[in-house]
Amino acid sequence: AQSVSQHNHHVILSEAASLELGCNYSYGGTVNLFWYVQYPGQHLQLLLKYFSGDPLVKGIKGFEAEFIKSKFSFNLRKPSVQWSDTAEYFCAVSGVNTGGFKTIFGAGTRLFVKA
Amino acid sequence: KAGVTQTPRYLIKTRGQQVTLSCSPISGHRSVSWYQQTPGQGLQFLFEYFSETQRNKGNFPGRFSGRQFSNSRSEMNVSTLELGDSALYLCASSPAQTANYGYTFGSGTRLTVV
Repeated sequence: AQSVSQHNHHVILSEAASLELGCNYSYGGTVNLFWYVQYPGQHLQLLLKYFSGDPLVKGIKGFEAEFIKSKFSFNLRKPSVQWSDTAEYFCAVSGVNTGGFKTIFGAGTRLFVKA
Repeated sequence: KAGVTQTPRYLIKTRGQQVTLSCSPISGHRSVSWYQQTPGQGLQFLFEYFSETQRNKGNFPGRFSGRQFSNSRSEMNVSTLELGDSALYLCASSPAQTANYGYTFGSGTRLTVV
């Protein structure tokens, strides 16, 4: 069965600090990996995705994530956070099951950036 | 282009009642998935539809059901509502039945069961 684990439930950073949010998954087959973000009062939106090729993927707003297959990890990074990055971040994994696919989400990490 | 539209935005129902939620995906998107979001459990997968067929189902009781129409619009139904069904129900659409594209989410329907 698929599962996704996000290491931190809450993270507090000051502006300009570097960010790394951990994500590990469990799945026996080929996976596609995603990070979604939910800004306060807004709906979930796709931040970045990996499905093949270069394991270092870049997304919107300066975010990037690295897929390390041997560690079953897909950590999200940003060199310098801004107050506007305050949001909840969800890691998600999608594996191909017979007859369809489903995407499983981690529990989320709430990031608060102090101005 | 229009995003994923979910109606209604808010609902208050009484225990034992049933409820139907609606989702209109982005035009051209044929895959629709439903999730339940609660503070304690996060996003829990309910089901996924493609071309009017349920392709995958999460671990929810049979009181939760859904369907997809030929125009890709989808509905989900919850019968015999329980207090624990109070949650934000999210619909997400994708262009095709592969995971490569990721989802576009709607704003959700917030269901409160009293």
